[in-house]
Amino acid sequence: EAGVTQFPSHSVIEKGQTVTLRCDPISGHDNLYWYRRVMGKEIKFLLHFVKESKQDESGMPNNRFLAERTGGTYSTLKVQPAELEDSGVYFCASSQVRGGETQYFGPGTRLLVL
Amino acid sequence: AQSVTQLGSHVSVSEGALVLLRCNYSSSVPPYLFWYVQYPNQGLQLLLKYTSAATLVKGINGFEAEFKKSETSFHLTKPSAHMSDAAEYFCAVSGKAGGTSYGKLTFGQGTILTVHP
Repeated sequence: EAGVTQFPSHSVIEKGQTVTLRCDPISGHDNLYWYRRVMGKEIKFLLHFVKESKQDESGMPNNRFLAERTGGTYSTLKVQPAELEDSGVYFCASSQVRGGETQYFGPGTRLLVL
Repeated sequence: AQSVTQLGSHVSVSEGALVLLRCNYSSSVPPYLFWYVQYPNQGLQLLLKYTSAATLVKGINGFEAEFKKSETSFHLTKPSAHMSDAAEYFCAVSGKAGGTSYGKLTFGQGTILTVHP
């Protein structure tokens, strides 16, 4: 069974540009999470989907970040326009159920904004 | 709000020595607790988790952790370190149903484990 995949693995963009990150969860997992780790800091929650619905987006930094999960399958996270402080590693995770269930993580997308 | 503190951003041990990585959490009710490991250029992998069953939890690769409610701790141990254990380790908590932290993970700062020959 394929694990959680993320694309791209690395992205280098200039301030003001737009970047879209993609996450493909494990097939059948209704719960999809986005997390971010800024260099030197802890991994922080961004948002949580249940199927195609946003269950919790309390961790989204600001309105430059837009997450979607069309059809309840893969998810995208768009940053527009990107700022220097958006640099970091963006992780996606999925789980079958919520609460106490193992979240399976993808390898992450390393974003560098210059 | 929940929080997690991992004591020591870097821990160095000799091969064959005891590994002890410390984790303390803050939560109004006993949460779910997790230890994840990240090897270089890989995603996070679950080592073990506590979900209110046995307080001593055994995980993969010989690791175990004990939930101590009175100390709000969930320290990770391994009796004998291997070179392959070198990685970054993360302690995390999530809340139970009905709470604002239900489902989402709150992580500690991470501890980089170095194993010397």
